[in-house]
Amino acid sequence: SQQGEEDPQALSIQEGENATMNCSYKTSINNLQWYRQNSGRGLVHLILIRSNEREKHSGRLRVTLDTSKKSSSLLITASRAADTASYFCATDGDNYGQNFVFGPGTRLSVLP
Amino acid sequence: EAQVTQNPRYLITVTGKKLTVTCSQNMNHEYMSWYRQDPGLGLRQIYYSMNVEVTDKGDVPEGYKVSRKEKRNFPLILESPSPNQTSLYFCASSFGRWAEKLFFGSGTQLSVL
Repeated sequence: SQQGEEDPQALSIQEGENATMNCSYKTSINNLQWYRQNSGRGLVHLILIRSNEREKHSGRLRVTLDTSKKSSSLLITASRAADTASYFCATDGDNYGQNFVFGPGTRLSVLP
Repeated sequence: EAQVTQNPRYLITVTGKKLTVTCSQNMNHEYMSWYRQDPGLGLRQIYYSMNVEVTDKGDVPEGYKVSRKEKRNFPLILESPSPNQTSLYFCASSFGRWAEKLFFGSGTQLSVL
């Protein structure tokens, strides 16, 4: 099945810096979502971008989507120690969300 | 408070002893799903349900069963657990079928000895 692949696997930055994570997927999608997970807890939805959108903002988050390259990026601006978490992209493929597929995630560490 | 509730949070069992992990949501969601999370593999879908009495296999259904007799509940059943089912399990739900955002439970850490 299609799969999102995040890049890098791990990222370490200083507080105040920007963090960029990338996601690539294999098949056509209707939308792509980003989730955050704190240390083994449940995932929390961050943002959803539809296939006909190219960019979306939510607070300090900026997501881009390039369907021609089958890729998306998540930018967290002015990062804080509290942003330390794992970030996952999820795609729905062409079966309208019946089978969300998550990538292995990017582990972000924001150092104070 | 809108939430997805999973129980138990931690479970240690032995090979072959049937167990059930419960999942309940109070948001009247149609779609519910189970995932397992293993290091380096991300989340993999086990089963999902589009509505009451409608369930279907995800990517890794072997060794698991589910049922959806009521809209709010979606239990995960391991009839004969094996050590390779040691994992972190998540239940999730969403409003409808059109790839809406998922709401996750807090997870169940299962160890099968």
